[in-house]
Amino acid sequence: DVKVTQSSRYLVKRTGEKVFLECVQDMDHENMFWYRQDPGLGLRLIYFSYDVKMKEKGDIPEGYSVSREKKERFSLILESASTNQTSMYLCASSWGDRGDGNQPQHFGDGTRLSIL
Amino acid sequence: TQLLEQSPQFLSIQEGENLTVYCNSSSVFSSLQWYRQEPGEGPVLLVTVVTGGEVKKLKRLTFQFGDARKDSSLHITAAQPGDTGLYLCAGGRSNYKLTFGKGTLLTVNP
Repeated sequence: DVKVTQSSRYLVKRTGEKVFLECVQDMDHENMFWYRQDPGLGLRLIYFSYDVKMKEKGDIPEGYSVSREKKERFSLILESASTNQTSMYLCASSWGDRGDGNQPQHFGDGTRLSIL
Repeated sequence: TQLLEQSPQFLSIQEGENLTVYCNSSSVFSSLQWYRQEPGEGPVLLVTVVTGGEVKKLKRLTFQFGDARKDSSLHITAAQPGDTGLYLCAGGRSNYKLTFGKGTLLTVNP
């Protein structure tokens, strides 16, 4: 079974802090994703990585950066946390090109981040 | 920007009832995936539909992809409390990305 592990289930940080959210997958997937999930807004893509050291902005990248130094690990960084970044953060991974572009995404259980 | 509209947003029914959840867009998607998310967990894939008009069944769940690949529906027959959860549809975009609908929160009461 694919396992996507997010380092923290709950996290409380203060405004202005630099925050790191870590995600590790054990299936050798090429693609990794960071989303945030908010009531009434659904899942929104923050950043996407299709290979080590490769990244692509998603729909709402402002205030975030990412790092992918190893294939299995994808980190989301809040450079200077603000209260409007309080949210549920979900990491996901999927296969790259297998002749079928419709690969499912496998999700971690999420990190509920509160910025005070 | 491709958007997916899900309806209804909330649904509360009694055990044994049938229900249908809709996912609509003005855009064509290469595929449509359905996920279920339970409290405290991440979404889990239920099914992927790829071909216009395709119908897939998963026990009491029936998924359909519209002929024009712009819409999809999920029908649950004889709902059970274990079906409770957030149902999400997601359309395939370029580069393996997905566009998610906002979800339908289903509660099945015993």
